[in-house]
Formats: sequence, C-alpha cells, structure tokens
Amino acid sequence: DIQMTQSPSSLSASVGDRVTITCRASQGIRNDLGWYQQKPGKAPKRLIYDASSLQNGVPSRFSGSGSGTEFTLTISSLQPEDFATYYCLQHNSFPLTFGGGTKVEIK
Amino acid sequence: EVQLVESGGDLVQPGGSLRLSCAASGFTFSSYAMSWVRQAPGKGLEWVSATSGHGVSTYYADSVKGRFTISRDNSKNTLYLQMNSLRAEDTAVYYCAKGGMSGKGFDPWGQGTLVTVSS
Repeated sequence: DIQMTQSPSSLSASVGDRVTITCRASQGIRNDLGWYQQKPGKAPKRLIYDASSLQNGVPSRFSGSGSGTEFTLTISSLQPEDFATYYCLQHNSFPLTFGGGTKVEIK
Repeated sequence: EVQLVESGGDLVQPGGSLRLSCAASGFTFSSYAMSWVRQAPGKGLEWVSATSGHGVSTYYADSVKGRFTISRDNSKNTLYLQMNSLRAEDTAVYYCAKGGMSGKGFDPWGQGTLVTVSS
C-alpha cells in the first residue's frame, strides 16, 4: 500500500500569510494526487487535481506542485474562509490513500 | 449541476447490517466510476470502496473486504454500499463521491450519511 505522509498536522497562521503543506508518498505516484479542503460538518471539496491543476471555481491563491513522491499545496495569501482542514489523496493505485490532514487555524 | 445525495445511515448494533444509497444526478452516471469514503468522528478520511462505470470492477479497503459490497443500478442512477457484520470501528460519516478509478480523484462528494454502530 502507498502511505501518504502529510505535514504539518496543524498550523496557526494569520490572514495574508503564505501557507505551505506537504505530502510525501512512500513510492512514486507520478502526478496522481489531489488536494481537498474540508470545513467542519461539510463534505470535502477538491482544490487541485493531477498535482498542479486548479479545480474550476477555486481561487488562484491555491496552487499545487510536485511529482513522484513529493507534493506541495500552497496558499499564497491566506483568507478567512481558508481556515479548514486540508487532505492530500493519492489515486495512483488501490487502495487509494489519504494523508493524515492539516488543520489550518487562526493565529 | 452534479448532485450526489446519500441516505440509509442509522444506528445499528454490532454484527448488524445496513445498506447505504447514493442518488446521482446531473451527469451520465454509467460513464463514471463511483466510490465510498468514510470519516470516523474527529478523524481523517478513509477510502472504503470503488466501482467502475458498469459495475464490473470493484475494489475494497482491507478494513472492509469480505464484509462490505459496493454495487450500482445504472438504470436508477444509484450507488449502494451493503454493510454486513458491522463493528464499532465502522462508525463514521459515509460519503459517496464521483470518481476513484482510472487515475482520477473524487469530485464532487455527497453531503454524507452517518452510520453509528453501538449496542
């Protein structure tokens, strides 16, 4: 099984900050990775697909990069509505696996 | 607009069974793989199962293999998850999601349905 190690597990940041979240895969997954945002009590929403492609309707302050085993989600200027939990997902091979999540909190 | 609406979540005793449904609309249901993903209270996301567009290919997480069965009725645009031999650790919100095969992730997701396994 492919393990996805996501870091940090939580972070505190201020509005306007640049935020970076990392996922490492235990083996190469090409660019078969997505990033998801989840707010309390809500279903997850995809932000990034194929590691770096922005989902329609998602603000351009979100970006993804990486390939192989190392991936990054960047929020260029954190907004109040971005406080949420973020997950990476590898869909290269079964079983599909998520990272452990990163909770982004207000400083 | 693509919509996914889950139903069937309930309180069930350990060892019991439950069937979840996910009604889909806004896209050609039979052309897309579908998946179930769950989230235990206060925990992260866990992929549970996926099925191909025509239901021929199915995949399961080890944690549910042999107990859960994914299926679909393309004439009704509905995805199912039959859950047998339920355990306390199956307690979670269960989401259906479009995608999960052929190198595709999940988009969109339904709103989720809560399954509680407790005596």
